[in-house]
Amino acid sequence: DTEVTQTPKHLVMGMTNKKSLKCEQHMGHRAMYWYKQKAKKPPELMFVYSYEKLSINESVPSRFSPECPNSSLLNLHLHALQPEDSALYLCASSQEGRETQYFGPGTRLLVL
Amino acid sequence: AQSVTQLGSHVSVSEGALVLLRCNYSSSVPPYLFWYVQYPNQGLQLLLKYTTGATLVKGINGFEAEFKKSETSFHLTKPSAHMSDAAEYFCAVSLNTPLVFGKGTRLSVIA
Repeated sequence: DTEVTQTPKHLVMGMTNKKSLKCEQHMGHRAMYWYKQKAKKPPELMFVYSYEKLSINESVPSRFSPECPNSSLLNLHLHALQPEDSALYLCASSQEGRETQYFGPGTRLLVL
Repeated sequence: AQSVTQLGSHVSVSEGALVLLRCNYSSSVPPYLFWYVQYPNQGLQLLLKYTTGATLVKGINGFEAEFKKSETSFHLTKPSAHMSDAAEYFCAVSLNTPLVFGKGTRLSVIA
């Protein structure tokens, strides 16, 4: 089973709202990732967790706050977002940092 | 630093024709190489990957790719295009870092 699940599928939020995106994998992978993807562009890496510790933060604004409660779960907390943050947010996991990444279906986020 | 170049942001082929999507990488040592496909409003699905060993790699849906070290290339091919192959295709490379993606190639299949 190579499934990564993400909830919700769609999210509409105002600029003053607080919301969270959730990601789960049960493949025993030790690395988990958040990406942001704008239309017609490749995914852009936001955060990497390795063994439940934040290992890479690609200079993402503080209005995005990642959390890794355990080895199977990854959250992305959203607060005071801007309309330009509207995008598809993808979660992925891999056994180690260099190995194959398996992607979830994404959360389509619209910030009004 | 490693990088990936996908030649052609849009490729259009007729149904039943050969599909060729080009990918060149820049790396001081052979990296791991991947092809992913993305259908509209979906996540990325792994098509195939090269790590070590056999340079001709077969993937899902009839796709294959050949790692050519001398040309620093990893082109994706499929002998006969199907309408369901219409999607965005991303080549990606990994050395000792997370994935570096190419800009993507949109494949259109004409009936």
